[in-house]
Amino acid sequence: EVQLVQSGGGLVRPGGSLRLSCAASGFTFSDYWMSWVRQAPGAGLEWVANIKHDGSEIYHVDSVEGRFTVSRDNAKKSLYLQMNSLRAEDTAVYYCARGLVAVAAICVYWGQGSLVTVSS
Amino acid sequence: ILLTQSPATLSLSPGDRATLSCRASQSISRYLAWYQQKPGQAPRLLIYDASNRATGIPARFTGSGSGTDYTLTISSLEPEDFAVYYCQQRSNWPPTFGQGTKVEIK
Repeated sequence: EVQLVQSGGGLVRPGGSLRLSCAASGFTFSDYWMSWVRQAPGAGLEWVANIKHDGSEIYHVDSVEGRFTVSRDNAKKSLYLQMNSLRAEDTAVYYCARGLVAVAAICVYWGQGSLVTVSS
Repeated sequence: ILLTQSPATLSLSPGDRATLSCRASQSISRYLAWYQQKPGQAPRLLIYDASNRATGIPARFTGSGSGTDYTLTISSLEPEDFAVYYCQQRSNWPPTFGQGTKVEIK
């Protein structure tokens, strides 16, 4: 069974940092693109970042470029999102997601979500 | 690429046919997915590449379209189908979502 188990959310002050983790099981993690998608309270969905199966290609949406960094450790079957210089508008539920083999931007399986609240 | 979904809300009864629309600001070459989201849950992939049903998705969900115009049809609504539906394109970076269509019980 494919599982994505997230950890690392919480309350952080503006300008602070947080790292989200996503532990994968039930599939060959190193075969798949992985993504982060977020959803602000009461709002729609926004793509945040993609990372290729081997980490050789990484993409971040403009609104987080230079502040957030997606990474992965295939040996640990884990995906990460390092978030720095956090702003109030980054408050959202963050989801990790797995795509299809060789397809970057489809979310077939989703983590349970991690709430990140940026507030003083 | 901007995706515009219509209508914003669809009020229907169980057993009704639901037709949801997603229009892209430019051609997305059928690189369109549909997701269902219920309150407090992660989205669930229904359809990818315009018409391919994801694993385990019932046959009552059908995707169609090309170019800039796409449709998700639910042939006969079941009680568990009342939810918010999002379309998403992967033709250009960054992938973008529509604003959602809420299918509510009439």
